[in-house]
Amino acid sequence: DAKTTQPPSMDCAEGRAANLPCNHSTISGNEYVYWYRQIHSQGPQYIIHGLKNNETNEMASLIITEDRKSSTLILPHATLRDTAVYYCIVRLPGSARQLTFGSGTQLTVLP
Amino acid sequence: GAVVSQHPSRVICKSGTSVKIECRSLDFQATTMFWYRQFPKQSLMLMATSNEGSKATYEQGVEKDKFLINHASLTLSTLTVTSAHPEDSSFYICSARDISGDLRNEQFFGPGTRLTVL
Repeated sequence: DAKTTQPPSMDCAEGRAANLPCNHSTISGNEYVYWYRQIHSQGPQYIIHGLKNNETNEMASLIITEDRKSSTLILPHATLRDTAVYYCIVRLPGSARQLTFGSGTQLTVLP
Repeated sequence: GAVVSQHPSRVICKSGTSVKIECRSLDFQATTMFWYRQFPKQSLMLMATSNEGSKATYEQGVEKDKFLINHASLTLSTLTVTSAHPEDSSFYICSARDISGDLRNEQFFGPGTRLTVL
């Protein structure tokens, strides 16, 4: 699986959009970008994934650059409950391998 | 769908005792379950991969005789921490991989078990 780089921490005001970047310059052509988050003392939660087109679901939007070397997870209207560590993971869909977590980004939503 | 449960959610035990943690996939079958450990302010680290009906595969540095894993059915895996010591205090998280349908091979995580060894 390709390596990813994320900023260690970010702050965001409640109600504003939170934009979390991820660099994955060594991503291969058929690898997807996955995002998970982990709220304190809970298990990781799947958010969204994508290959090259922008994706949106009820939780977030995922913007992947045209060269696929970076992506941004967007939480359109952050709430206090979105405070968590966000992990960007690059992998093949349906891979038999386990998910490998980097250090992620600690997002703190401020009131 | 795709719910994974863990029991207990938290446990406190004395040094030298053994603790069993259960991981269940509630609405899907999982031939493979993964056990992770997470120390404070650190990321999740894979301990072992559990395959139904066969022996678990342990990551380097994880003692297989100390962390016993049993995956006797397609919906249950157990992790037993034997002769626990304070350094084993951690957050243990399991995940299960769905083998069928649209969720094939995606991993779903349990809520975690907080182990404190006194």
